[in-house]
Amino acid sequence: QQQLRESGPGLLKPSETLSLTCTVSGDSISSRYYWGWIRQPPGKGLEWIGSVSYSGRPYYNPSRKSRVTLSVDTSKNQFSLKLNSVTAADTAVYYCVRQIVATLGIDYWGQGALVTVSS
Amino acid sequence: QAALTQPASVSGSPGQSITISCTGTSSDVGGYKFVSWYQQHPGKAPKLLIYEVSNRPSGVSNRFSGSKSGNTASLTISGLQAEDEAHYYCSSYGDNNNLGVFGGGTKLTVL
Repeated sequence: QQQLRESGPGLLKPSETLSLTCTVSGDSISSRYYWGWIRQPPGKGLEWIGSVSYSGRPYYNPSRKSRVTLSVDTSKNQFSLKLNSVTAADTAVYYCVRQIVATLGIDYWGQGALVTVSS
Repeated sequence: QAALTQPASVSGSPGQSITISCTGTSSDVGGYKFVSWYQQHPGKAPKLLIYEVSNRPSGVSNRFSGSKSGNTASLTISGLQAEDEAHYYCSSYGDNNNLGVFGGGTKLTVL
């Protein structure tokens, strides 16, 4: 059974860097999927941040590209998100997800990690 | 502001059918077959309902169906049940390797 679990700090100050890691269990991260991040501000909708392929190629939401870095660590079966220069607008639940390459459907989601940006 | 336009809310009575629209452009919904729909209950992660416009993953009820015409995709839920009350989101591939263009979400209320 595929499982994804986010980990990282839940509270940041403005201008800091958000760093989250997703640990994948039940499958190899080298399998042919995209591994991505989606966020949801409190009471609002879903926003795709970016995804990284099984080969390590990143794909970014054009509106977030300047602040986002995605990476994969195959030795630990993990992938990571870094979002720099955070503001209160980056407060959200961050989900790590598995996205099927052939259909782009997102079939597995982590439980979500709430990250709050506050001074 | 979401890139794809969905109605903020829809409602229906048990047993009825409802349809949620998702309008984009030729650069996303209209240009590709990669339209997905997700259901999200409060406090839970979204669940994939439909992929590639009209395909259901294994385990998803056949009461959920999807279609597309031009730049608008639609999700139809037939035989409404109380447990269908949730938020629904559409998503599409967009130009320039944009793997996840989302709609703003629609809250379904089962009366």
